[in-house]
Order: sequence, then structure tokens, then C-alpha cells
Amino acid sequence: KAGVTQTPRYLIKTRGQQVTLSCSPISGHRSVSWYQQTPGQGLQFLFEYFSETQRNKGNFPGRFSGRQFSNSRSEMNVSTLELGDSALYLCASSLPASNTGELFFGEGSRLTVL
Amino acid sequence: AQTVTQSQPEMSVQEAETVTLSCTYDTSESDYYLFWYKQPPSRQMILVIRQEAYKQQNATENRFSVNFQKAAKSFSLKISDSQLGDAAMYFCALGYNFNKFYFGSGTKLNVKP
Repeated sequence: KAGVTQTPRYLIKTRGQQVTLSCSPISGHRSVSWYQQTPGQGLQFLFEYFSETQRNKGNFPGRFSGRQFSNSRSEMNVSTLELGDSALYLCASSLPASNTGELFFGEGSRLTVL
Repeated sequence: AQTVTQSQPEMSVQEAETVTLSCTYDTSESDYYLFWYKQPPSRQMILVIRQEAYKQQNATENRFSVNFQKAAKSFSLKISDSQLGDAAMYFCALGYNFNKFYFGSGTKLNVKP
């Protein structure tokens, strides 16, 4: 069974640009969550989608947005990039019947903002 | 507000020995779950162990066990017979409905041969 796939794995952008990251969950998983990981801060919750609906949102500015498609694939977008947005962005999926079960993580997309 | 605190940024253990990683949390909710996740260098984060808050019995998974003290809001991870493959960042996490998780800042575990 294929795991959670995130693309691209690495990318470099400049301040002011926007970026779109993609996540394909494990087959059958309908919940997709996004996290930002920075050194010393651990992981911070961005948002969670289930059946194309955002069910939960973290405390990030409106520049961070996401969506989920009918096939459960998800994208997140960051507009007007800032230096502080440099981070590893992790996507995680989980089983549909599990509201608080195990998260299956992808390898992440490492974003560097210059 | 929900917070998860891991006060040990880095720890070391000798191979075959036992090590305990600490985690405290704060929540006003009564229904929640606690997790320990492991992130090996440049590899995916994986679940180590899971504990439902309503269960008094401490969870155990092979060499990994937890000490869950609900009143103290403490959730420590004990790794017995440490192996080189246990070297990783370990994250404590607090989970709620709709898969909203709060993670600690992590503890880097070094295993010495």
C-alpha cells in the first residue's frame, strides 16, 4: 500500500511569491491534515480536511490556505511568502472512521524562502 | 489553551539501557488522546504509541511503554533495551476530535553503541 506522497520535496522561492504544495493520502484515507515544522517549534497545526471540507484550522494567517479534492488529494497554498515561512511542511492522512487516531505522515515538502 | 511541553531538547542513552522521555500537557478538555511519534533523520514520522485519556491502564508496545498520570497531566515514554535504530526525534502529541493535534517541540534521542 502506497504511503502519503508529497510533492515537491524541495523548493526555493523568494519573498512575495506564492507556493502550492500537494499531498496524496493513503488510499482510503479521507482526512488530510497539514503541519508546519520548524526547528525549536515542533509541529504546528495548519488545517484539516475531510470530504472536501475544512473541519479544523490552526492559528495561521490567511496567507495559508488549503483545499481537498473529491479523490481526497489535498493542496495547500501560501501567498506573499515571508522569510519566516521557511519550514518543512508535513501532510498526514488518517482513516475515515477515526477522528483521533493514528496520523500517517508524508516525508514533507521543504520550503526555503530567500 | 492546549499546550504540550517537552523539557528535554536532547538526551543520550547507551545501547541496551533504558531511557525515559518526559512530556507534560495542558488541556481543559476531557476527551483527548496522547501520542508519541518518532521522526528518524530525514525520514517519515511514525507512531510509536497511543494512549486514550479515558483509559487508566498505561499503553505498552513491545519495548515502548508510557507512564500516564492524568491528574498531573504527564505522559512520559520509556524505551527499554535501547537500540541504535531508536535514535530519532521524539514528539509528544495531544489529539482531539477531527484530528487536531498539538505537538511538543521534540526530544532528540542519541543512542551510543
